[in-house]
Amino acid sequence: EVHLVESGGGLVQPGGSLRLSCAASGFMFSNYWMTWVRQAPGKGLEWVANIKEDGSQKYYVDSVKGRFTISRDNAKNSLYLQMNNLSAEDTALYYCARYIWLDFWGQGTPVTVSS
Amino acid sequence: IQLTQSPSSLSASVGDRVTITCRASQDISNFLAWYQQKPGKAPKLLIYGASLLQSGVPSRFSGSGSGTDFTLTISSLDPEDFAIYYCQQVKTYPRSFGPGTKVDIK
Repeated sequence: EVHLVESGGGLVQPGGSLRLSCAASGFMFSNYWMTWVRQAPGKGLEWVANIKEDGSQKYYVDSVKGRFTISRDNAKNSLYLQMNNLSAEDTALYYCARYIWLDFWGQGTPVTVSS
Repeated sequence: IQLTQSPSSLSASVGDRVTITCRASQDISNFLAWYQQKPGKAPKLLIYGASLLQSGVPSRFSGSGSGTDFTLTISSLDPEDFAIYYCQQVKTYPRSFGPGTKVDIK
C-alpha cells in the first residue's frame, strides 16, 4: 500500500527557513516524479514544485523560485522541500504527492510563517 | 495557463446529475485531471487524462473534453460526494489548479 508521510512543518518567523520531508513507502519511489502542493488556510490548491525520478529535472511555481529547493534521496525513499526566506504568504498545509497525475497524497504538514 | 471553473459552488440533492466545467486559457489537449477534496482531508484523484477513471473511483464519475473545455459529471449524486472539486492541468509548467467548485447539500 502506498504511503506518503510529510514532516518538518511548524511555526517560523518571516525570513526564516524550514526543510520539509516526505517519507514514501509501498511503491518503487525511484520510478516516479514527485510533487509538492500547498493549500493556504481556507484556500484552494497551489502546485509548488516537482522533481523527476532521478532528480535531473526540477520545476517550480514562480512565487517560490529562488527561495525553495526540491530534492530527493532515492536510497532513502524520501522527498524534500527546502524553504528559505519564508513570508506570511507561504503559510499553508504542504502536501507531497506521487507522479504527474498526483495519484497518492500524504496527509500534509502545516507551515505557519508569523512573528 | 489559467484554469477557471464554473460554477464556483452549487447545491444539489442526492440522486441529482451534477456537471462541473473547467476552462483552460489555452489548449492543453487532454492533460487535465480532476480531484475531490473533503474537509480536513487530502485531495483524491478522480479522473486523469481528461476522461480516464482512476482505479477505485466509482463509475458515477466521468470526465470529458479536450483542448480548452472540460467537464466533470457525477451521474447520480451520492451523500459522500459532497466536497470541493478541483481541475488541474499538467500540460505546461507551472502546473495549475482551478479555483475549485464546492458541491453541497440542497
